Amino acid sequence: DGGITQSPKYLFRKEGQNVTLSCEQNLNHDAMYWYRQDPGQGLRLIYYSQIVNDFQKGDIAEGYSVSREKKESFPLTVTSAQKNPTAFYLCASSIGGRYYEQYFGPGTRLTVT
Amino acid sequence: SQQGEEDPQALSIQEGENATMNCSYKTSINNLQWYRQNSGRGLVHLILIRSNEREKHSGRLRVTLDTSKKSSSLLITASRAADTASYFCATDGPFSSGSARQLTFGSGTQLTVLP
Repeated sequence: DGGITQSPKYLFRKEGQNVTLSCEQNLNHDAMYWYRQDPGQGLRLIYYSQIVNDFQKGDIAEGYSVSREKKESFPLTVTSAQKNPTAFYLCASSIGGRYYEQYFGPGTRLTVT
Repeated sequence: SQQGEEDPQALSIQEGENATMNCSYKTSINNLQWYRQNSGRGLVHLILIRSNEREKHSGRLRVTLDTSKKSSSLLITASRAADTASYFCATDGPFSSGSARQLTFGSGTQLTVLP
């Protein structure tokens, strides 16, 4: 089956610890994205990547880091510098270009206490 | 502030009725997309309408776009309990370039369809 996988589904961490969220796609998509969603809110773009070894900051990149060493993988690290990291994190990919939809993974719910 | 804003924030209807959700945005766009999200899940793409299109249909979905009013509407006809979800509009602005499209999402409409 083609698609996007995110792991784990639920993640708990202590304050001050860095944590890495996994995102893998086998759709052969060039572009990948990370979004954050808070309760009752829409999605906000954290980082995006157009091709391997390239990524750009989105609207709320502070306290986050990413890498894109392989086309199919785009992990997100939530660092201790992120002031309010508890949220639902969604990864997406798209074939690229102007008129294509984004395909989303199932999400990771991160709780930091 | 976010580009797209949905209205209403919440909508509750009976099964079989039609549901209409609206989206307004602020700047010019390349395209507008509608997504659905079941509680605690990822988003699923429903339909994309280009800036030069006025109306588009897909099954029970009908989307309209009025670029002069910077607004779009999503109509779900003959709703079913399984349509219960949050619905988001997302816009792809004119300054978005390259292969990665920077979509800006609204805060969503929570639709509840009562059986």
